[in-house]
Amino acid sequence: SQQGEEDPQALSIQEGENATMNCSYKTSINNLQWYRQNSGRGLVHLILIRSNEREKHSGRLRVTLDTSKKSSSLLITASRAADTASYFCATMMDSNYQLIWGAGTKLIIKP
Amino acid sequence: DAGVIQSPRHEVTEMGQEVTLRCKLISGHNSLFWYRQTMMRGLELLIYFNNNVPIDDSGMPEDRFSAKMPNASFSTLKIQPSEPRDSAVYFCASSLAGQGPYEQYFGPGTRLTVT
Repeated sequence: SQQGEEDPQALSIQEGENATMNCSYKTSINNLQWYRQNSGRGLVHLILIRSNEREKHSGRLRVTLDTSKKSSSLLITASRAADTASYFCATMMDSNYQLIWGAGTKLIIKP
Repeated sequence: DAGVIQSPRHEVTEMGQEVTLRCKLISGHNSLFWYRQTMMRGLELLIYFNNNVPIDDSGMPEDRFSAKMPNASFSTLKIQPSEPRDSAVYFCASSLAGQGPYEQYFGPGTRLTVT
C-alpha cells in the first residue's frame, strides 16, 4: 500500500522558477527519500533525509522534513527544462529496508 | 559499475505464455527489490530479497508470479501463465542494506505487454 502522498499531482512552471512538491506519510519513519523518474526510465535517487534531520541541501535541491506533521517538501530552485520528470517520495521504517512509495508529482518545466 | 541491468527491455507475449524477466544487481549489493509500475496503480513492490532470502513477498499478485535469486548477483521474475492485466513496466532495484544509507538503485525496467 502507498504511504506517501505527493501534492500536487502535476505542476507546470516556467523555466527559472522554483518548484515545490510536498509529501505526506502516515507512520513513523527511519528516513524519507526523493527520487526522480524521467519518462520511460528507471527511478533515480535524489536525496535522503533522516528522521532526526529537518533540512538537507544538494545542489539546487532542498528537502525539509517535519516529523510532527508527517510531511516533507522538495524544492527545486532555478528550474531547468531538464528537470521535467516525475518526482516520488518514499519512506523507510525502522523495521525493514523496504520503501513505501507515493504516487508521484509530474513536473513540467516550460522553456 | 554498469548499474542494475535488466533484460529484456521490452517483451510482447500472448496471453497464457510464460514470461521471464531478469535482473543483475550492482556488485556488492545485498538487497533486491522487484517492482511493477502502471498508470492505474503506480509503483508497487512485488517482492524483496535480502542476502538471497525472500523477506517479503506479500506484494506478489498471485501464484502465477514467482521470483528467485539463484545467486547473490542475479534474480528472475517469472509469470506463468501471463495475462493481459500483467502488462506493466517491471523494475528491479538493488541496495546495500544494513550499512545505510539505503538508497535504491533502479534498473531501466522491462516493458511487458501481454496481448
